[in-house]
Amino acid sequence: GENVEQHPSTLSVQEGDSAVIKCTYSDSASNYFPWYKQELGKRPQLIIDIRSNVGEKKDQRIAVTLNKTAKHFSLHITETQPEDSAVYFCATVHAGTALIFGKGTTLSVSS
Amino acid sequence: ETGVTQTPRHLVMGMTNKKSLKCEQHLGHNAMYWYKQSAKKPLELMFVYSLEERVENNSVPSRFSPECPNSSHLFLHLHTLQPEDSALYLCASSQAVQGNGKLFFGSGTQLSVL
Repeated sequence: GENVEQHPSTLSVQEGDSAVIKCTYSDSASNYFPWYKQELGKRPQLIIDIRSNVGEKKDQRIAVTLNKTAKHFSLHITETQPEDSAVYFCATVHAGTALIFGKGTTLSVSS
Repeated sequence: ETGVTQTPRHLVMGMTNKKSLKCEQHLGHNAMYWYKQSAKKPLELMFVYSLEERVENNSVPSRFSPECPNSSHLFLHLHTLQPEDSALYLCASSQAVQGNGKLFFGSGTQLSVL
């Protein structure tokens, strides 16, 4: 079945640095790639998504890139701030019905 | 954000108990989901419902029994659970079941099985 691999599992950066999280997927038919952020004790929330007809999408300090040939997509956060500290999950569509998630990346931004 | 509401927030149960988790969405969505979140497998898909019909059962043990009486409500009935079932159970909804739209999560039920 569909599988999503996410790396790294933990990431520590200094405030102002950039952070990059990568995911690979197995189903070449996948066409939707969202990223969710889960702060400590809170529910996961969508922060950005990309569809397969687009190679890159930006929203202020965050961006997502997609390489369909290599079957991987990445989340880029620039000028990181302490409030960016959270667990980030990539996802893709499973069997056309629901999202399946990577194992998450715990991002820590120190000031 | 109160679009998806889950009760109870916390639940402690013994292995022989029967309990139910409740989820209600106020967003007019047609699809609802149960996810299990644990340290070993964060955000593991359990069940998918579209307009009250189950469309996905992701190899979940029969001690978990979902029920979707209408498009706004979703239950997860629990019986004879094991300690390894202790986890955060998250309900979510989306506009449709194609899987390519935004998921709205509830706050979850933190379940402890003793």
